[in-house]
Amino acid sequence: DAGVIQSPRHEVTEMGQEVTLRCKPISGHDYLFWYRQTMMRGLELLIYFNNNVPIDDSGMPEDRFSAKMPNASFSTLKIQPSEPRDSAVYFCASSCTGAGNTIYFGEGSWLTVV
Amino acid sequence: TQLLEQSPQFLSIQEGENLTVYCNSSSVFSSLQWYRQEPGEGPVLLVTVVTGGEVKKLKRLTFQFGDARKDSSLHITAAQPGDTGLYLCAGNPLPNFGNEKLTFGTGTRLTIIP
Repeated sequence: DAGVIQSPRHEVTEMGQEVTLRCKPISGHDYLFWYRQTMMRGLELLIYFNNNVPIDDSGMPEDRFSAKMPNASFSTLKIQPSEPRDSAVYFCASSCTGAGNTIYFGEGSWLTVV
Repeated sequence: TQLLEQSPQFLSIQEGENLTVYCNSSSVFSSLQWYRQEPGEGPVLLVTVVTGGEVKKLKRLTFQFGDARKDSSLHITAAQPGDTGLYLCAGNPLPNFGNEKLTFGTGTRLTIIP
């Protein structure tokens, strides 16, 4: 299997611009997670989906952040408008119920907002 | 919020030495996981411990879950340069038993000097 695929790997954008991060989970996995990693705050859960339905978005920092999962093989995390403090590595991850609940992470999207 | 503190934050040792990394919390977890993250990649699961006092070995790595399920340790014997990376513990807070709401620790950045 190809693993969790994220795009773009790197993005540099100006403050105020819209940013869209994309994720393709591992085929057959029914959970999808979006995490954010920074030096100051470590790895934080933003939102997770089960069977394409958002279950818990309590980690989403503010209304500028939104996430969708229109089907089982695709999810997006959108930031609009972006701010410099949003600069971080954003990870998508997926897991399958019952298979030891192992979470598989993508390689991350490195976002820099200037 | 269940905070997981890891110590030390940074560790640099010579190849062949032994080391122990700690993960501590005031909260009880149903399970605890250890991940290793290499530069430019996402975290990769090493082990899951579930039972208080449980010890698991993975080649030169020994993982222990505290009796009260509030803390854990990772011991590496005869460290190798390939062990270099960021080590993250992650706890599954009660009453959850899946991995949907994993709380990640602050991380230990380990460097093994050849």
